[in-house]
Amino acid sequence: DILMTQSPSTLSASVGDRVTITCRASQSVSRQLAWFQQKPGKAPRLLISRASRLQSGVPSRFSGSGSETEFTLTISSLQPDDFATYYCQQYSDYSRAFGQGTKVEVK
Amino acid sequence: EVQLVESGGGLVQPGGSLRLSCAASGFAFSNYGMSWVRQTPGKGLEWVASISGTDATSYYADSVRGRFTISRDNSKNTLYLQLNSLTAEDAAVYYCAKGDCENDCYLCDYWGQGALVSVSS
Repeated sequence: DILMTQSPSTLSASVGDRVTITCRASQSVSRQLAWFQQKPGKAPRLLISRASRLQSGVPSRFSGSGSETEFTLTISSLQPDDFATYYCQQYSDYSRAFGQGTKVEVK
Repeated sequence: EVQLVESGGGLVQPGGSLRLSCAASGFAFSNYGMSWVRQTPGKGLEWVASISGTDATSYYADSVRGRFTISRDNSKNTLYLQLNSLTAEDAAVYYCAKGDCENDCYLCDYWGQGALVSVSS
């Protein structure tokens, strides 16, 4: 099975900061990579699919890049509503594995 | 607006059974594959099972195959997950999720709020 590893596990940042989260796959997933945002007690929300395709309604400050085994999620200017946990997920193979999550917290 | 509402969670003893339901609305339910994904503090998010939209072909993670059964009733816009032979490792929040395609969709674009399953004697 493909293993997904995110870094960092926790990120402390302030409103207005540029934030970057990395996701690495143990083998190539092409561009079959999605990013989710989750707030406490809520369902995951799909932000980005196909590594860089922004879902409808997602603010343009979110962007994704990468291919094969290395991917990034960038928030260009962190807003109060963005403090949450972010997960990557590969959907290239049957296991459809998720990363362990990156918590973005207030600095 | 897509809505997915889970029900049926609760406390069950090891070896016991539970049935989760997910009421769907806001989209053509029968045209989409559906999935169950669970979340625990220790193991994070884990795909459990999926079912295709029209022919109801089912797919399972190795960890639940033979114990869990996913099914759907397109006339009721409802997804189900039958959980049998439960162990402590099955304790989790179970999310119902809509696939982004008709069959075994590896990507889910909408998720419900989750149903908590606790396993304890």
